[in-house]
Amino acid sequence: EAGVAQSPRYKIIEKRQSVAFWCNPISGHATLYWYQQILGQGPKLLIQFQNNGVVDDSQLPKDRFSAERLKGVDSTLKIQPAKLEDSAVYLCASSSTPDWGGPKSSYEQYFGPGTRLTVT
Amino acid sequence: GQQVMQIPQYQHVQEGEDFTTYCNSSTTLSNIQWYKQRPGGHPVFLIQLVKSGEVKKQKRLTFQFGEAKKNSSLHITATQTTDVGTYFCGLSPRAGSYQLTFGKGTKLSVIP
Repeated sequence: EAGVAQSPRYKIIEKRQSVAFWCNPISGHATLYWYQQILGQGPKLLIQFQNNGVVDDSQLPKDRFSAERLKGVDSTLKIQPAKLEDSAVYLCASSSTPDWGGPKSSYEQYFGPGTRLTVT
Repeated sequence: GQQVMQIPQYQHVQEGEDFTTYCNSSTTLSNIQWYKQRPGGHPVFLIQLVKSGEVKKQKRLTFQFGEAKKNSSLHITATQTTDVGTYFCGLSPRAGSYQLTFGKGTKLSVIP
């Protein structure tokens, strides 16, 4: 099966500019996540979607970050305006709904290749 | 909120030596997942542990979930250069929650 697709792979912008990232999850995966991974750190969840609804966006800096998944498939994450500390890799991941108690009670997350953002 | 400690932060081993990384949670967990991220790559799922005291093996990798479901370990026997990367634990506090809180990871270097 095709993996999680993300674009662009790299982006360099100046502070106060805006940027958008796109993610297409694995076909049929209901849950989609956006993570921010700063160099030397683990992925930090920004927002989680279940179909086209937001499950958790408690760690999303809503004054500058926004995300949507309008048709419950692909998703975009936007930063406006960007700050220097937003320099990071932005990872998109997706997972299917597990069959709790069944043979596949796992919701392993499949990550895309990420977008490396540099803010100068 | 959820606190995750992963130790060590870095580990350099000679090829053929063993390697262990530990993950500790401040709260009791529903389950834990382990991921590997190669240099320049993205995290790739390795395994999920659900039951107290559970031990799972994948070839040279052994994963263990603590009896109290607050800690876990990943042990690699006889490391190879292909084991190079950063190993992350992802913690899930609630059954039915798809959310994971990731540790900072343990970066493994293998000297050939």
